[in-house]
Amino acid sequence: TQLLKQSPQFLSIQEGENLTVYCNSSSVFSSLQWYRQEPGEGPVLLVTVVTGGEVKKLKRLTFQFGDARKDSSLHITAAQPGDTGLYLCAGVRGGSNYKLTFGKGTLLTVNP
Amino acid sequence: EAQVTQNPRYLITVTGKKLTVTCSQNMNHEYMSWYRQDPGLGLRQIYYSMNVEVTDKGDVPEGYKVSRKEKRNFPLILESPSPNQTSLYFCASSLSSGAGERRPYEQYFGPGTRLTVT
Repeated sequence: TQLLKQSPQFLSIQEGENLTVYCNSSSVFSSLQWYRQEPGEGPVLLVTVVTGGEVKKLKRLTFQFGDARKDSSLHITAAQPGDTGLYLCAGVRGGSNYKLTFGKGTLLTVNP
Repeated sequence: EAQVTQNPRYLITVTGKKLTVTCSQNMNHEYMSWYRQDPGLGLRQIYYSMNVEVTDKGDVPEGYKVSRKEKRNFPLILESPSPNQTSLYFCASSLSSGAGERRPYEQYFGPGTRLTVT
Protein backbone atom coordinates (compact mmCIF):
# COMPACT_ATOMS: atom_id res chain seq x y z
CA THR A 1 0.00 0.00 0.00
CA GLN A 2 1.36 3.37 -1.04
CA LEU A 3 1.17 5.80 1.85
CA LEU A 4 1.96 8.75 -0.40
CA LYS A 5 0.70 8.54 -3.95
CA GLN A 6 2.15 10.93 -6.51
CA SER A 7 0.56 11.76 -9.83
CA PRO A 8 1.19 11.83 -12.63
CA GLN A 9 4.03 9.34 -12.65
CA PHE A 10 5.50 10.83 -15.84
CA LEU A 11 5.01 14.25 -17.41
CA SER A 12 6.56 15.59 -20.59
CA ILE A 13 5.82 19.19 -21.56
CA GLN A 14 7.15 22.01 -23.69
CA GLU A 15 9.11 24.93 -22.33
CA GLY A 16 6.80 27.71 -21.19
CA GLU A 17 3.88 25.50 -20.18
CA ASN A 18 2.41 25.35 -16.68
CA LEU A 19 1.98 22.13 -14.76
CA THR A 20 0.77 20.74 -11.45
CA VAL A 21 1.85 17.53 -9.75
CA TYR A 22 0.09 15.99 -6.79
CA CYS A 23 0.96 14.10 -3.62
CA ASN A 24 -2.02 12.42 -1.96
CA SER A 25 -2.58 10.27 1.09
CA SER A 26 -5.36 8.97 3.31
CA SER A 27 -3.14 9.65 6.34
CA VAL A 28 -2.49 12.91 8.13
CA PHE A 29 1.08 14.20 8.11
CA SER A 30 2.69 16.64 10.52
CA SER A 31 4.66 18.00 7.58
CA LEU A 32 5.34 17.31 3.94
CA GLN A 33 8.53 17.95 2.05
CA TRP A 34 9.22 18.28 -1.66
CA TYR A 35 12.53 17.25 -3.18
CA ARG A 36 13.96 17.33 -6.69
CA GLN A 37 16.39 14.68 -7.84
CA GLU A 38 18.52 14.87 -10.95
CA PRO A 39 20.02 11.77 -12.59
CA GLY A 40 22.97 10.34 -10.67
CA GLU A 41 22.49 12.63 -7.68
CA GLY A 42 20.78 12.60 -4.33
CA PRO A 43 17.46 14.38 -3.79
CA VAL A 44 17.66 18.05 -2.86
CA LEU A 45 15.08 19.66 -0.60
CA LEU A 46 12.90 22.32 -2.25
CA VAL A 47 10.44 23.18 0.49
CA THR A 48 8.69 21.99 3.63
CA VAL A 49 5.04 22.68 4.38
CA VAL A 50 3.82 22.34 7.93
CA THR A 51 0.49 24.10 8.42
CA GLY A 52 -2.77 22.96 6.81
CA GLY A 53 -3.65 25.30 3.93
CA GLU A 54 -0.12 26.68 3.77
CA VAL A 55 1.13 28.03 0.44
CA LYS A 56 4.83 28.58 -0.22
CA LYS A 57 6.44 30.05 -3.30
CA LEU A 58 9.93 29.43 -4.59
CA LYS A 59 10.40 31.56 -7.73
CA ARG A 60 8.18 29.86 -10.34
CA LEU A 61 7.26 26.97 -8.03
CA THR A 62 4.19 27.13 -5.77
CA PHE A 63 3.63 24.50 -3.10
CA GLN A 64 0.38 23.97 -1.23
CA PHE A 65 -0.46 21.81 1.77
CA GLY A 66 -4.05 20.62 1.99
CA ASP A 67 -6.27 21.92 4.79
CA ALA A 68 -6.50 18.44 6.30
CA ARG A 69 -2.72 17.89 5.93
CA LYS A 70 -3.28 14.75 3.83
CA ASP A 71 -2.18 16.06 0.45
CA SER A 72 0.02 18.57 -1.29
CA SER A 73 0.55 20.00 -4.74
CA LEU A 74 3.41 21.56 -6.66
CA HIS A 75 2.62 24.01 -9.44
CA ILE A 76 5.30 25.20 -11.86
CA THR A 77 4.68 28.28 -13.96
CA ALA A 78 6.38 28.71 -17.33
CA ALA A 79 8.45 25.54 -17.03
CA GLN A 80 12.05 25.59 -18.22
CA PRO A 81 14.36 22.74 -19.28
CA GLY A 82 16.26 23.25 -16.01
CA ASP A 83 13.13 22.12 -14.15
CA THR A 84 13.58 18.63 -15.57
CA GLY A 85 13.98 16.03 -12.84
CA LEU A 86 12.26 13.63 -10.48
CA TYR A 87 10.00 15.42 -8.00
CA LEU A 88 9.49 13.57 -4.74
CA CYS A 89 7.18 14.28 -1.85
CA ALA A 90 7.93 12.93 1.62
CA GLY A 91 6.05 13.04 4.87
CA VAL A 92 6.43 12.47 8.57
CA ARG A 93 3.35 11.27 10.38
CA GLY A 94 4.35 12.82 13.67
CA GLY A 95 3.92 11.62 17.20
CA SER A 96 6.50 9.00 18.06
CA ASN A 97 6.79 7.88 14.45
CA TYR A 98 10.13 9.06 13.13
CA LYS A 99 9.94 7.30 9.79
CA LEU A 100 10.05 9.45 6.72
CA THR A 101 7.96 8.06 3.87
CA PHE A 102 8.55 9.00 0.25
CA GLY A 103 6.20 8.91 -2.70
CA LYS A 104 7.45 7.24 -5.86
CA GLY A 105 7.86 10.57 -7.58
CA THR A 106 6.86 12.40 -10.73
CA LEU A 107 9.41 12.35 -13.53
CA LEU A 108 9.17 15.71 -15.31
CA THR A 109 10.75 16.38 -18.68
CA VAL A 110 10.65 19.92 -20.05
CA ASN A 111 11.51 20.02 -23.73
CA PRO A 112 13.10 23.15 -25.22
CA GLU B 1 31.03 23.06 3.30
CA ALA B 2 28.05 21.27 4.83
CA GLN B 3 27.77 17.85 3.29
CA VAL B 4 27.00 14.17 3.54
CA THR B 5 29.66 11.91 2.08
CA GLN B 6 29.34 8.28 1.10
CA ASN B 7 31.96 5.76 0.10
CA PRO B 8 32.35 4.01 -2.17
CA ARG B 9 30.30 5.65 -4.93
CA TYR B 10 30.30 2.51 -7.03
CA LEU B 11 30.76 -1.09 -5.94
CA ILE B 12 30.50 -4.40 -7.74
CA THR B 13 30.72 -7.44 -5.50
CA VAL B 14 29.78 -11.09 -5.37
CA THR B 15 27.08 -12.86 -3.40
CA GLY B 16 28.01 -13.48 0.22
CA LYS B 17 31.02 -11.18 0.46
CA LYS B 18 30.50 -8.83 3.41
CA LEU B 19 30.68 -5.15 2.65
CA THR B 20 30.30 -1.80 4.38
CA VAL B 21 29.17 1.46 2.87
CA THR B 22 30.31 4.43 4.93
CA CYS B 23 28.35 7.62 5.53
CA SER B 24 29.58 10.74 7.27
CA GLN B 25 28.04 14.17 7.88
CA ASN B 26 29.64 17.37 9.14
CA MET B 27 26.48 19.24 10.18
CA ASN B 28 26.16 17.84 13.73
CA HIS B 29 22.81 16.32 12.77
CA GLU B 30 21.15 13.93 15.19
CA TYR B 31 19.04 12.04 12.66
CA MET B 32 20.66 9.84 10.01
CA SER B 33 19.05 7.42 7.64
CA TRP B 34 19.73 4.94 4.84
CA TYR B 35 17.51 4.55 1.78
CA ARG B 36 17.55 2.38 -1.27
CA GLN B 37 16.11 3.53 -4.58
CA ASP B 38 14.83 1.06 -7.14
CA PRO B 39 12.96 1.63 -10.41
CA GLY B 40 9.22 1.51 -9.86
CA LEU B 41 9.61 1.29 -6.09
CA GLY B 42 10.94 4.72 -5.29
CA LEU B 43 12.97 5.61 -2.20
CA ARG B 44 12.51 3.22 0.69
CA GLN B 45 13.95 3.67 4.15
CA ILE B 46 16.20 0.85 5.37
CA TYR B 47 17.27 2.01 8.84
CA TYR B 48 17.36 5.26 10.70
CA SER B 49 19.05 6.61 13.80
CA MET B 50 17.69 9.30 16.07
CA ASN B 51 21.04 9.77 17.81
CA VAL B 52 24.20 7.97 18.93
CA GLU B 53 23.46 4.36 19.90
CA VAL B 54 19.78 4.76 18.90
CA THR B 55 18.77 2.96 15.70
CA ASP B 56 15.52 1.55 14.38
CA LYS B 57 14.21 -0.32 11.40
CA GLY B 58 12.73 1.43 8.41
CA ASP B 59 10.50 -0.22 5.86
CA VAL B 60 13.01 -2.65 4.29
CA PRO B 61 15.62 -3.61 6.93
CA GLU B 62 16.07 -7.30 6.03
CA GLY B 63 19.65 -8.17 5.07
CA TYR B 64 21.15 -4.95 6.44
CA LYS B 65 22.78 -3.82 9.67
CA VAL B 66 23.75 -0.38 10.91
CA SER B 67 25.59 1.12 13.82
CA ARG B 68 25.81 4.63 15.26
CA LYS B 69 28.82 4.81 17.54
CA GLU B 70 29.59 8.43 16.70
CA LYS B 71 27.26 11.25 15.80
CA ARG B 72 28.84 11.95 12.42
CA ASN B 73 29.06 8.37 11.07
CA PHE B 74 26.37 5.88 10.14
CA PRO B 75 27.76 2.89 8.21
CA LEU B 76 25.52 0.43 6.36
CA ILE B 77 26.64 -3.19 6.60
CA LEU B 78 25.62 -6.02 4.30
CA GLU B 79 26.79 -9.20 6.04
CA SER B 80 25.96 -11.52 3.14
CA PRO B 81 24.91 -9.53 0.08
CA SER B 82 22.51 -11.06 -2.40
CA PRO B 83 21.59 -9.99 -5.95
CA ASN B 84 18.27 -8.53 -4.76
CA GLN B 85 20.29 -5.95 -2.84
CA THR B 86 21.57 -4.51 -6.11
CA SER B 87 20.36 -0.93 -5.86
CA LEU B 88 21.21 2.75 -5.53
CA TYR B 89 21.76 3.60 -1.87
CA PHE B 90 21.49 7.02 -0.26
CA CYS B 91 22.51 8.18 3.16
CA ALA B 92 20.82 11.26 4.58
CA SER B 93 20.99 13.35 7.71
CA SER B 94 18.85 15.99 9.37
CA LEU B 95 18.14 17.77 12.58
CA SER B 96 15.50 15.95 14.58
CA SER B 97 12.43 17.26 16.23
CA GLY B 98 12.73 17.89 19.90
CA ALA B 99 9.87 18.15 22.35
CA GLY B 100 7.73 21.15 21.55
CA GLU B 101 9.42 21.77 18.21
CA ARG B 102 7.96 21.25 14.77
CA ARG B 103 11.19 20.87 12.89
CA PRO B 104 10.25 18.60 10.08
CA TYR B 105 13.21 16.33 9.37
CA GLU B 106 14.51 18.09 6.28
CA GLN B 107 16.89 15.58 4.78
CA TYR B 108 20.32 16.32 3.36
CA PHE B 109 21.28 13.49 1.03
CA GLY B 110 24.65 12.09 0.10
CA PRO B 111 25.61 11.54 -3.55
CA GLY B 112 24.61 7.87 -3.58
CA THR B 113 26.33 4.49 -3.81
CA ARG B 114 25.51 2.28 -6.76
CA LEU B 115 25.87 -1.33 -5.61
CA THR B 116 25.80 -4.35 -7.90
CA VAL B 117 25.79 -7.84 -6.39
CA THR B 118 26.48 -10.65 -8.85
